[in-house]
Amino acid sequence: GQNIDQPTEMTATEGAIVQINCTYQTSGFNGLFWYQQHAGEAPTFLSYNVLDGLEEKGRFSSFLSRSKGYSYLLLKELQMKDSASYLCAGLRTYKYIFGTGTRLKVLA
Amino acid sequence: DAGVTQSPTHLIKTRGQQVTLRCSPISGHKSVSWYQQVLGQGPQFIFQYYEKEERGRGNFPDRFSARQFPNYSSELNVNALLLGDSALYLCASSSGQDNSPLHFGNGTRLTVT
Repeated sequence: GQNIDQPTEMTATEGAIVQINCTYQTSGFNGLFWYQQHAGEAPTFLSYNVLDGLEEKGRFSSFLSRSKGYSYLLLKELQMKDSASYLCAGLRTYKYIFGTGTRLKVLA
Repeated sequence: DAGVTQSPTHLIKTRGQQVTLRCSPISGHKSVSWYQQVLGQGPQFIFQYYEKEERGRGNFPDRFSARQFPNYSSELNVNALLLGDSALYLCASSSGQDNSPLHFGNGTRLTVT
């Protein structure tokens, strides 16, 4: 199948670190992408992995293990503005397959 | 530089009507994709166009059609609207190269009554 699974909701405290996991059940993804979507807004691109390993971009890092069908997005030094949905998406040729998203709530 | 622009931002239609949504990609981007997003779900792929040719189509009925113009802008048409077509319709552009990320517009919120 092409399912992409993510937790529905997560809660974390301002200044903390949070890891949002994403698992998928298909081979054939050319890359694994992470998008942030604030309520009522369009998704914005955060990070992507083509090869196994960790990609770091400031406070955001993303990890991929293709053999395990597993990725995570790591958010450090959480800020209130990080409260949003985080979408995991696999790229298959020209088509992005999105998970349902993880709603992250950052508490003061 | 301007990002992806979509029009209109909001639209209310009744069942059975037809609707046309429009999208202008980021300058230099040759690929446009359309996605449907219902509340609480991730975007679902509808179409991708590259250099004016349809590159792929998602699992949507034939009531959904699209095209891309020589200036790379695009239109999504939906005929015979159903209540279930109510959603946020997102347009995204990319360079079209392998692994190039999508850049989304702010979407068109379609409500079918």
